[in-house]
Amino acid sequence: SYELTQPPSVSVSPGQTASITCSGDKLSDKYTSWYQQKPGQSPVVVIYQDNRRPSGIPERFSGSNSGNTATLTISGTQAMDEADYYCQSWDSSTAGVFGGGTKLTVL
Amino acid sequence: EVKLVQSGAEVKKPGESLKISCKGSGYSFPNYWIGWVRQMPGKGLEWMGLIYPGDSDTKYSPSFQGQVTISADKSSNSAYLEWSVLKASDTAIYYCVRQGSYGDFDYWGPGTLVTVSS
Repeated sequence: SYELTQPPSVSVSPGQTASITCSGDKLSDKYTSWYQQKPGQSPVVVIYQDNRRPSGIPERFSGSNSGNTATLTISGTQAMDEADYYCQSWDSSTAGVFGGGTKLTVL
Repeated sequence: EVKLVQSGAEVKKPGESLKISCKGSGYSFPNYWIGWVRQMPGKGLEWMGLIYPGDSDTKYSPSFQGQVTISADKSSNSAYLEWSVLKASDTAIYYCVRQGSYGDFDYWGPGTLVTVSS
């Protein structure tokens, strides 16, 4: 079955850039989305279709997808961005798959 | 405004059956895939499956095929997740999700906590 691999944790200083990767075989052939989940809350999509931001998501969130790796980038990271982040891919053959999640710590 | 309203928390015993629900509003319910995502305590997100209420076409994750049943009733704008025999390992939060046009899950319900314990 198809698998997506994320680093378990990423740390970043306030105001710096955080990058979270998501690896999967030929991932660029599929659409990748990213979700932010804060404790006790439902996940929220922050990036869809590899690099598109839903309305209401700050411009500091961006995404890319090339080869076997998709990347979520948070520029000028703020304390409020501390959360778990999950990538997710979709295509007709693999259906829906989530990565294992990355805990972003802002310190 | 799109909303997904889920049924309340459940406490069940192993071996019992259960059906939880999700009611969609604010959009054309029959025309969007809707499905379920599991989150076990302290763990990550797992996609379980989706249903297209317009024709009841259903897709299951291989991990959940045969373990649960996903259904929908377009007359009441509701989707369901059902177990015939619950296990302790089914203890989790179950999120109802709507699938957007690019395979993303653009709307999430608040989650239903299912606790299975003897």
